[in-house]
Amino acid sequence: AAGVIQSPRHLIKEKRETATLKCYPIPRHDTVYWYQQGPGQDPQFLISFYEKMQSDKGSIPDRFSAQQFSDYHSELNMSSLELGDSALYFCASSRTSGRTETQYFGPGTRLLVL
Amino acid sequence: RKEVEQDPGPFNVPEGATVAFNCTYSNSASQSFFWYRQDCRKEPKLLMSVYSSGNEDGRFTAQLNRASQYISLLIRDSKLSDSATYLCAVNGYSSASKIIFGSGTRLSIRP
Repeated sequence: AAGVIQSPRHLIKEKRETATLKCYPIPRHDTVYWYQQGPGQDPQFLISFYEKMQSDKGSIPDRFSAQQFSDYHSELNMSSLELGDSALYFCASSRTSGRTETQYFGPGTRLLVL
Repeated sequence: RKEVEQDPGPFNVPEGATVAFNCTYSNSASQSFFWYRQDCRKEPKLLMSVYSSGNEDGRFTAQLNRASQYISLLIRDSKLSDSATYLCAVNGYSSASKIIFGSGTRLSIRP
């Protein structure tokens, strides 16, 4: 079965640079979620989109922005990168059907900021 | 206080043992409950959803007690391949809502 696709899988950036992470949800899934997982931490919710509209917002820094496109893929844009942004970034997708839905996670993008 | 709290672990048990994990959540409006399994440096993978009536999937049994806001996971006849971190997860104030994870419980199965 098709899974959530994330790219790139690994990314190395320097402080103050920008990064763009991409997420392609499972086919027919209409909701995308972004999570950040630091070393030894549990995943922390950043932001989500349903039908191209922001649906929920968590602890996402103002330096980060995200959007969902007409084909339901999503991009997380990160600017003025800081050392503390080094983490695993997971995208998850679900199919919204009027009740809470199971989220399936992609393999993640490992970001290292030097 | 975290919104979702788990046994900190780590649990180190012999192969074949039965192990139980517990989790409590603070928001009584929560609608959906899950156990995810996460291997080192990999994504969380859904192990099972948790329903009020309790549910079983092979060696795994999950229970939900809404009155006590408590979720449990029981693993019977544990295998070496069960070694992982188990994340309790809660969501569902509305559709398309975020998951809140517990800190995870690390399980190591020894031969």
